[in-house]
Amino acid sequence: DTGVSQNPRHKITKRGQNVTFRCDPISEHNRLYWYRQTLGQGPEFLTYFQNEAQLEKSRLLSDRFSAERPKGSFSTLEIQRTEQGDSAMYLCASSGVLNKTGENQPQHFGDGTRLSIL
Amino acid sequence: AQSVTQPDIHITVSEGASLELRCNYSYGATPYLFWYVQSPGQGLQLLLKYFSGDTLVQGIKGFEAEFKRSQSSFNLRKPSVHWSDAAEYFCAVGASWVTGGGNKLTFGTGTQLKVEL
Repeated sequence: DTGVSQNPRHKITKRGQNVTFRCDPISEHNRLYWYRQTLGQGPEFLTYFQNEAQLEKSRLLSDRFSAERPKGSFSTLEIQRTEQGDSAMYLCASSGVLNKTGENQPQHFGDGTRLSIL
Repeated sequence: AQSVTQPDIHITVSEGASLELRCNYSYGATPYLFWYVQSPGQGLQLLLKYFSGDTLVQGIKGFEAEFKRSQSSFNLRKPSVHWSDAAEYFCAVGASWVTGGGNKLTFGTGTQLKVEL
């Protein structure tokens, strides 16, 4: 178990540029989540994949945001035409399948990508 | 809609003193409750979880939490705090019994713990 890996750890970009973040989940986990955390707040859910299917998206995820998980392994989160309000920590988490009694498994988080918009 | 309230934004305790961090949740069904800890610039580490069974759950680093359905609370406790416990603590709620769905978590705003030596 090497943990959830996120790259880059930090990204500084100018307003209007596009950025892409990558998340590598724990290898046996089939669920992958993206959250956004702004200063002084708890993480907020953005979107969730089960294998390669994107099953839920928050209304926080505007049309400038797109997430993919090709082949059900790593995932990318792209933000187009970045705005000042996009500055935040973007966290990725993964979890395993339901256990024998049908309960969701806990999510394990990466260290996040901190995005700063100049 | 599910929600979590952590009423204490900042808490300061002396090393060796006991600690209790408060968490109240709102959820329409049986909740799946978590406490995570976050050090500066880092991701979240799972301290403990509750989904059924014994309402007093033990976690890592000597932490425990008690689920009280009547009070919609899931407070985190530690009998003796160490300086290394200084961090931000988040309570979260998710769905425990979901058929065919995910388990998105709703987090509180966090409690920043400072430990005085």
